Amino acid sequence: SYELTQGPSVSVSPGQTASITCSGDKLGDKYVCWYQQKPGQSPVLVIYQDSMRPPGIPERFSGSNSGNTATLTISGTQAMDEADYYCQSWDSNTHVVFGGGTRLTVL
Amino acid sequence: EVQLVESGGGLVQPGGSLRLSCSASGFTFSNSAMHWVRQAPGKGLEYVSVIDTNENSTYYADSVKGRFTISRDNSKNTLYLQMSSLRTEDTALYYCVKNFALGGMDVWGQGTTVIVSS
Repeated sequence: SYELTQGPSVSVSPGQTASITCSGDKLGDKYVCWYQQKPGQSPVLVIYQDSMRPPGIPERFSGSNSGNTATLTISGTQAMDEADYYCQSWDSNTHVVFGGGTRLTVL
Repeated sequence: EVQLVESGGGLVQPGGSLRLSCSASGFTFSNSAMHWVRQAPGKGLEYVSVIDTNENSTYYADSVKGRFTISRDNSKNTLYLQMSSLRTEDTALYYCVKNFALGGMDVWGQGTTVIVSS
């Protein structure tokens, strides 16, 4: 089965850039989505098709995907961005696969 | 407003059954594939199942295959998840989620909690 691997945690200072990675075999050949989940809340789609933002998602959220790694980048990180972030893609049978999640801490 | 509201969760003994429902509003339900995603306490997101617009195609994660059945009633704008032979490891918050045509899942319900315990 296809697997997506995320690091457990990332820390960033307010105003700095946070990078959260997601790795999988030939991930760059697939589309990747990213979800933000704040404590006690449902996930929110923040990036689709590797780098597209849904309406209402701030421009400081961006994404890229190449080779075996997709990256979610948050520029000018704010305290409100502290959350768990999950990557998501599809396996060879177009079934959804989630990464294990990365906790972003804004120190 | 686009909204998904789950119901039907609760406490059930191992081996028991439960049916979750998800009422959709604010969008054309019959035009959207729909998903169930669950999250065990303190854990990450786990994909459970998907159904296409007309129930012609469904998929289940290996962990629930043969025990869970996804269905929908487009006339009632409602998604269902029939769960049987429940195990303690099925304990989780179950989210109903709308498929996003451009990729991913763009609307999530608030979730309904299923606890499997004796």
